[in-house]
Amino acid sequence: QVQLQESGPGLVKPSQTLSLTCTVSGGSISSGGHYWSWIRQHPGKGLEWIGYIYYSGNTYYNPSLKSRVTISVDTSKNQFSLRLSSVTAADTAVYYCVREQSIVASDIFDSWGQGSLVTVSS
Amino acid sequence: DIQMTQSPSSLSASVGDRVTITCRASQSISSYLNWYQQKPGKAPKLLIYAASSLQSGVPSRFSGSGSGTDFTLTVSSLQPEDFATYYCQQSHSTPRTFGQGTKVEIK
Repeated sequence: QVQLQESGPGLVKPSQTLSLTCTVSGGSISSGGHYWSWIRQHPGKGLEWIGYIYYSGNTYYNPSLKSRVTISVDTSKNQFSLRLSSVTAADTAVYYCVREQSIVASDIFDSWGQGSLVTVSS
Repeated sequence: DIQMTQSPSSLSASVGDRVTITCRASQSISSYLNWYQQKPGKAPKLLIYAASSLQSGVPSRFSGSGSGTDFTLTVSSLQPEDFATYYCQQSHSTPRTFGQGTKVEIK
């Protein structure tokens, strides 16, 4: 059973860069067949997909955040990371790292981290 | 982007009630529709994938139907542990998008 765990600062100042890392255990990022995603949830609100990365390094970002987002992977550490630049209070949210798996007739978010609350405030 | 619209946004129901939540996509997504359940302070949990397939370990009182643009999640007999927020999500194309959620509360 794969497990994901987010880590990183819980408080970021406005205009700075938010950085989070997701450590994957119980499975290898390099095994292929999965996309490694970041999803966020503003307090009391719905879910917003930020983007994903494949173990090869191929990425796709939500156009709404594309200019500020970088997702990277470190297969040697079995980790992938999120960087979001020029943050404002509107980026305050719980950030989840998530595995997306391709199965018959769909792609599913089947494994989630517990979530990491990041507050943007001076 | 494909917009996902759920209705209702919230509902009140009693234990044992049959509950139905609908989800509409802004364009056809075939059966690329998943449903998730989220409880307060927890990550979402996959319930239904490909519109109507039950994820392993999910009780059979949950079911999904639909294709194209209109989809339904049904709970046949609501249990105390089912009070939560439910989200639909399309996996037809990127960016992946979710409905705004339906909160199921105790009447």
